[in-house]
Amino acid sequence: EVQLVESGGGLVQPGGSLRLSCAASGFTFNSYEMNWVRQAPGKGLEWISYISSSGSIIYHADSVKGRLTISRDNAKNSLYLQMNSLRAEDAAVYYCVRLSSASPGWFDPWGQGTLVTVSS
Amino acid sequence: DIVMTQTPLSLSVTPGQPASISCKSSQSLLHSDGKTYLYWYLQKPGQSPQLLIYEVFNRFSGVPDRFSGSGSGTDFTLKISRVEAEDVGVYYCMQSIQLWTFGQGTKVEIK
Repeated sequence: EVQLVESGGGLVQPGGSLRLSCAASGFTFNSYEMNWVRQAPGKGLEWISYISSSGSIIYHADSVKGRLTISRDNAKNSLYLQMNSLRAEDAAVYYCVRLSSASPGWFDPWGQGTLVTVSS
Repeated sequence: DIVMTQTPLSLSVTPGQPASISCKSSQSLLHSDGKTYLYWYLQKPGQSPQLLIYEVFNRFSGVPDRFSGSGSGTDFTLKISRVEAEDVGVYYCMQSIQLWTFGQGTKVEIK
């Protein structure tokens, strides 16, 4: 079964840092492009980061550029999101999402999400 | 950036009745490869989003045939022929021709 399990969320003060992880299983991780999508409490979905299968190509949404950084470790079947200089508006559930191998590709599956709270 | 605009933002439907959600993009989603990069997702209460429709009209694996997608260019529609209780949740359209952006979501509830 294809599975994505996020971890690392929690309460952090404004200006603080956090590192989210996503453990992938049930598929050949190093063959798939991956993404992070977030959802602020009671709000809609916002794509924030993309990484190619090798990790050589990365895109970030303007809203997080320079503060949040996506990375991966294919040997560990893991995806990461390093979050620095956190702001109140970064509070959200963060989903790890696989991009399908089909072209152009769609987001499936989604992890269960990990909650990040930014508050003093 | 491509903006995705959904209407309505909420919908209350009697079971067995049809429902329709519109999604408009600020730019054409038709790619040079001939495919249109428009998707529909459903987020049921307390769950992660799940894919319903890909490339405008293709139902994803396991999606009931009461769900259908249509449209072209910048105007798209998701239709549910007969709404069931399990269809409640928030529906999102998404484009992937230029990175990825979602519509605001349409909340569907049962009357």
